[in-house]
Amino acid sequence: GDSVTQMEGPVTLSEEAFLTINCTYTATGYPSLFWYVQYPGEGLQLLLKATKADDKGSNKGFEATYRKETTSFHLEKGSVQVSDSAVYFCALSVRNTGKLIFGQGTTLQVKP
Amino acid sequence: NAGVTQTPKFRVLKTGQSMTLLCAQDMNHEYMYWYRQDPGMGLRLIHYSVGEGTTAKGEVPDGYNVSRLKKQNFLLGLESAAPSQTSVYFCASSRSRGGEAETQYFGPGTRLLVL
Repeated sequence: GDSVTQMEGPVTLSEEAFLTINCTYTATGYPSLFWYVQYPGEGLQLLLKATKADDKGSNKGFEATYRKETTSFHLEKGSVQVSDSAVYFCALSVRNTGKLIFGQGTTLQVKP
Repeated sequence: NAGVTQTPKFRVLKTGQSMTLLCAQDMNHEYMYWYRQDPGMGLRLIHYSVGEGTTAKGEVPDGYNVSRLKKQNFLLGLESAAPSQTSVYFCASSRSRGGEAETQYFGPGTRLLVL
């Protein structure tokens, strides 16, 4: 079945460091791909998404490119801030069902 | 526009007790979902609904029931709570399926502890 695998956390970085969180997926067909972020004590918020191969989603300085050939959707940010500390979830949407399948989440901690 | 709201925010139950979690959305979304979040396991889909009066099972439906009597509300019931149901429960909604409309919007969560 469809699945999403994220890199293990936690990831600890200093402010202004470069961030990469790896995400790979297995799916039949061509799913849409998402990154959601969960700040402490809150629900999930959509960070960015891509709906077809080679699309790049971007928001708040974060980017991810839909790579069909490597079945990946890695999240990147050039310079992280303390306020980026959160749990990041990669997810795919199963075509024509509306359902999301989530990775296990990666905790990011950014230190000043 | 409150988005997706959940009631209650936190609840403690004893094994065998029952309770209902309420989710409400004011975005006129067709699709609604209930997830549970457990450490190291991401979010897992419990039940979902594709419209008023419809429900369907997700990945982990056992021990839960749902109802969608009104389009804006989606109720999750635990008939006889078990310690394994200790979790954080999230409700979400989306406009439709497929394409640009499939983004899900999440509520703030309900933390449930079953003793």
